[in-house]
Amino acid sequence: QQPVQSPQAVILREGEDAVINCSSSKALYSVHWYRQKHGEAPVFLMILLKGGEQKGHDKISASFNEKKQQSSLYLTASQLSYSGTYFCGTASAGNMLTFGGGTRLMVKP
Amino acid sequence: EADIYQTPRYLVIGTGKKITLECSQTMGHDKMYWYQQDPGMELHLIHYSYGVNSTEKGDLSSESTVSRIRTEHFPLTLESARPSHTSQYLCASSTTGWRDEQFFGPGTRLTVL
Repeated sequence: QQPVQSPQAVILREGEDAVINCSSSKALYSVHWYRQKHGEAPVFLMILLKGGEQKGHDKISASFNEKKQQSSLYLTASQLSYSGTYFCGTASAGNMLTFGGGTRLMVKP
Repeated sequence: EADIYQTPRYLVIGTGKKITLECSQTMGHDKMYWYQQDPGMELHLIHYSYGVNSTEKGDLSSESTVSRIRTEHFPLTLESARPSHTSQYLCASSTTGWRDEQFFGPGTRLTVL
């Protein structure tokens, strides 16, 4: 079952912060976050694993609540380059990633 | 820098034609994937492979087929293209299914007239 992302879209001014949420109805082993700019391939941002391990970029932070099967991506002091569509992908035991519907982020000067 | 390549990048073709979308990666990844994505929409997994001679269907039913004869190569074939196949097709690879990041190719934008 597809994870649910919220909000669906957000508009920010440069320097503002944003939080993107991802929730699943299944028990999760990992949550992946990717950003896709228009006309380009998705690019890896972060992975959060059951048990607390994380892998990702220094400037990106995220959380994973294993009990609630929820993850949040925190974008602080946003820059113009942060614009794009953010996808979370979730994986249960032994399964492939299932991606959410995406959150469209626009950062304005 | 991810080394995963897709050709062609754009393809416009008539109904009924057979097409093959190519995907190659030089990272030695065992796992490879094909996703279908309509503009601005979510990615749907249509095929994946655990390694050579392994292919599985994904969550989204697709009339396409795939093969994995070599580790680095994972082509997708449509025997008879239809307008409903118009979409973007993204190829990806990873070392594991859920623990490591997926590297995506640039995609093939397919239009069937």
